[in-house]
Amino acid sequence: SQTIHQWPATLVQPVGSPLSLECTVEGTSNPNLYWYRQAAGRGLQLLFYSVGIGQISSEVPQNLSASRPQDRQFILSSKKLLLSDSGFYLCAWSGSGQGARTGELFFGEGSRLTVL
Amino acid sequence: SQQGEEDPQALSIQEGENATMNCSYKTSINNLQWYRQNSGRGLVHLILIRSNEREKHSGRLRVTLDTSKKSSSLLITASRAADTASYFCATGAGFQKLVFGTGTRLLVSP
Repeated sequence: SQTIHQWPATLVQPVGSPLSLECTVEGTSNPNLYWYRQAAGRGLQLLFYSVGIGQISSEVPQNLSASRPQDRQFILSSKKLLLSDSGFYLCAWSGSGQGARTGELFFGEGSRLTVL
Repeated sequence: SQQGEEDPQALSIQEGENATMNCSYKTSINNLQWYRQNSGRGLVHLILIRSNEREKHSGRLRVTLDTSKKSSSLLITASRAADTASYFCATGAGFQKLVFGTGTRLLVSP
């Protein structure tokens, strides 16, 4: 069965410090991968998605970047955090190509980032 | 920008009652999905309805879709305290790139 791991679960960082959130998927190949951000009490905002290694599409211009160094690894980074980067970050995967089922997303448990 | 808007923003009911949440969206879609999020957790997929379907059932869940009105509803029958969570609709227009609504916070009291 497929599983998705996301870490760290909680992070408190000072303004101007770097960020690295990591997400890995097990039990599937060539997944589509996504990073979403959820502000407190709000819906989800799609930040980045990837259809393959090294292929990243950005949805919202901002202080963050994403990378996919391996098929099932997705990393969210920042060189210098801003206060506005605080939020709940969610990684998700979906099937792709012939392996796609219904288009549903499978989410990790999230990483709560507080920038002080 | 967010495509879907859920209504109401918050809903408080007693166990055993039915809960109805609505979602409106703006553009053409291939499918509409509903997700559930327990506080501080990731989202869990509940049900998907395609644009050529009008109603779908899964256990205590019933979803309707009206593409002419660009709206959907999620009905949870015989609610339980464990149904307390936020519920989000998400619309897909291609490439499985879902756009989520703002969510309905459901509180089911024992």
